[in-house]
Amino acid sequence: ETGVTQSPTHLIKTRGQQVTLRCSSQSGHNTVSWYQQALGQGPQFIFQYYREEENGRGNFPPRFSGLQFPNYSSELNVNALELDDSALYLCASSRTGGREGPEAFFGQGTRLTVV
Amino acid sequence: RKEVEQDPGPFNVPEGATVAFNCTYSNSASQSFFWYRQDCRKEPKLLMSVYSSGNEDGRFTAQLNRASQYISLLIRDSKLSDSATYLCVVNIYPSGTYKYIFGTGTRLKVLA
Repeated sequence: ETGVTQSPTHLIKTRGQQVTLRCSSQSGHNTVSWYQQALGQGPQFIFQYYREEENGRGNFPPRFSGLQFPNYSSELNVNALELDDSALYLCASSRTGGREGPEAFFGQGTRLTVV
Repeated sequence: RKEVEQDPGPFNVPEGATVAFNCTYSNSASQSFFWYRQDCRKEPKLLMSVYSSGNEDGRFTAQLNRASQYISLLIRDSKLSDSATYLCVVNIYPSGTYKYIFGTGTRLKVLA
């Protein structure tokens, strides 16, 4: 096991609602990245948090936002849910936020269904 | 053009076969490279990092060719348990942060 835990594991929401997904990073890791994986696709980078600040963002609209806490756990918030937001949301934790690009370890994911 | 491209497969091979996956990337500033394995409806799990000198872990061998911007994974003596999707991952470092770019994955099915 990686030590990265996500909650909830499954979630069903209605279009227009808001959702918060949570991630606890592996002990000793200070960087958390969030990914969206649609069916049949590779994970797409949403954003990364390092030392409680956003440290890079992919091509996702502002209604995707996040937080990182002093214990390095993180939240992903999505407002005004759309049907296309249905996907597996993955959290990855890694040891540094520097340019070394260390290996990332994933949580089991949250499967979000928007109806 | 996608930043990381892989043949989606599926590759159907008999047990004991040798299979090779290829991956190309477009960003020449890419810094580190990985292969991840993803089982159906599960999270990706790190299989191995890929180094310029090539590296081997048991039945798995990874190669990197920076000049051609090409990464490969070779699996020897395939087992039924190797059936999964294999994701090629490239780490780039734009503007003071790093991010992992995933390919869409190559599906492997090992047949008895």
